[in-house]
Amino acid sequence: GAGVSQTPSNKVTEKGKYVELRCDPISGHTALYWYRQSLGQGPEFLIYFQGTGAADDSGLPNDRFFAVRPEGSVSTLKIQRTERGDSAVYLCASSLRTSDEQFFGPGTRLTVL
Amino acid sequence: SQQGEEDPQALSIQEGENATMNCSYKTSINNLQWYRQNSGRGLVHLILIRSNEREKHSGRLRVTLDTSKKSSSLLITASRAADTASYFCATDAKAAGNKLTFGGGTRVLVKP
Repeated sequence: GAGVSQTPSNKVTEKGKYVELRCDPISGHTALYWYRQSLGQGPEFLIYFQGTGAADDSGLPNDRFFAVRPEGSVSTLKIQRTERGDSAVYLCASSLRTSDEQFFGPGTRLTVL
Repeated sequence: SQQGEEDPQALSIQEGENATMNCSYKTSINNLQWYRQNSGRGLVHLILIRSNEREKHSGRLRVTLDTSKKSSSLLITASRAADTASYFCATDAKAAGNKLTFGGGTRVLVKP
């Protein structure tokens, strides 16, 4: 089937606005992960879901960031009151089970002006 | 902080040559995964090697893992211009749940 998909591919917003980024994992994958990658660096972990619940949200930088996965499939990463420092590529990955290969989507490039 | 550190940070080789990059990490792992990334977008999964494995092959790729030295290497044999990309190692650390911790990557340029 299809790989991990993410929408939108690019998002430009103004400082202070609210944004939602969507991730559609590979069908049947129970684990879903969000990462953030700044230019020239490796991805950094944000949050991980096992099924519908957030199993580890230790990477979320502050309470402006929140993610949900209400039905155990699609996930939405929500960022309130965006700041210029939030500009990055936001990557989503899924795996069949934990500690299996993680397959990444193409990412959403977020630019906060 | 990043668990894995790749070495070198950048590598430039001629087509047909082999490319070797190394990854060091700090804590005990469940597995280590290597990824390729073109143009700063999606990561392509290359190989997963588990902590009880020492070597894996996939096509022109060979990955080794030395848990006593907490290091891994990725060898690309007979490189092609299409192998030009950034390569990242990522560790699934036992103490860190199931998230991956990435290094800063090795930027490989294969000249035709």
